[in-house]
Amino acid sequence: DAKTTQPPSMDCAEGRAANLPCNHSTISGNEYVYWYRQIHSQGPQYIIHGLKNNETNEMASLIITEDRKSSTLILPHATLRDTAVYYCIGNNFNKFYFGSGTKLNVKP
Amino acid sequence: KAGVTQTPRYLIKTRGQQVTLSCSPISGHRSVSWYQQTPGQGLQFLFEYFSETQRNKGNFPGRFSGRQFSNSRSEMNVSTLELGDSALYLCASSFGDSGANVLTFGAGSRLTVL
Repeated sequence: DAKTTQPPSMDCAEGRAANLPCNHSTISGNEYVYWYRQIHSQGPQYIIHGLKNNETNEMASLIITEDRKSSTLILPHATLRDTAVYYCIGNNFNKFYFGSGTKLNVKP
Repeated sequence: KAGVTQTPRYLIKTRGQQVTLSCSPISGHRSVSWYQQTPGQGLQFLFEYFSETQRNKGNFPGRFSGRQFSNSRSEMNVSTLELGDSALYLCASSFGDSGANVLTFGAGSRLTVL
């Protein structure tokens, strides 16, 4: 099962890129890496996912290392509304493991 | 399209009582999973149902149970409530197929046990 490790908190200036790292050294070859975020105890919101290749969507970019042991979520231009807890999780056939997440504080 | 709907949103129970929470998934989604979120333990996987069958189960006592109906709606039940069961209970739905599986979460049901 993919256990993930993330820094507990990070700060980012508004308008700058936020780079959130995640270590998932126990991930297996067929497990996707997913990123979600949670704002004020609402339900987690999906951001992006990937398996081997880097991915980009309208919200963020996901960079996965070649050995798949770590990844980085990039929010290209962080806004105050991006302040949230960001979770990097692995999926073992529909069993998702949420770690403690990273509290991203976007400051003006 | 309508999102994942959880009811009730808030409820208060006393120790020893039981509670049933409901989750209506996104139309077409066949998988429903449940999570418990507490300040101390974070988000923890309870169980997952797919086509009316429990497919995965987390490490929770037997007091926590669930079921899924033919229309994919799901309920979870907690019997003999304890103070430690106070939490935000989140439901998520997905297509449940193999490969990448994106979960869509509901807003949650916040349970307070007194």
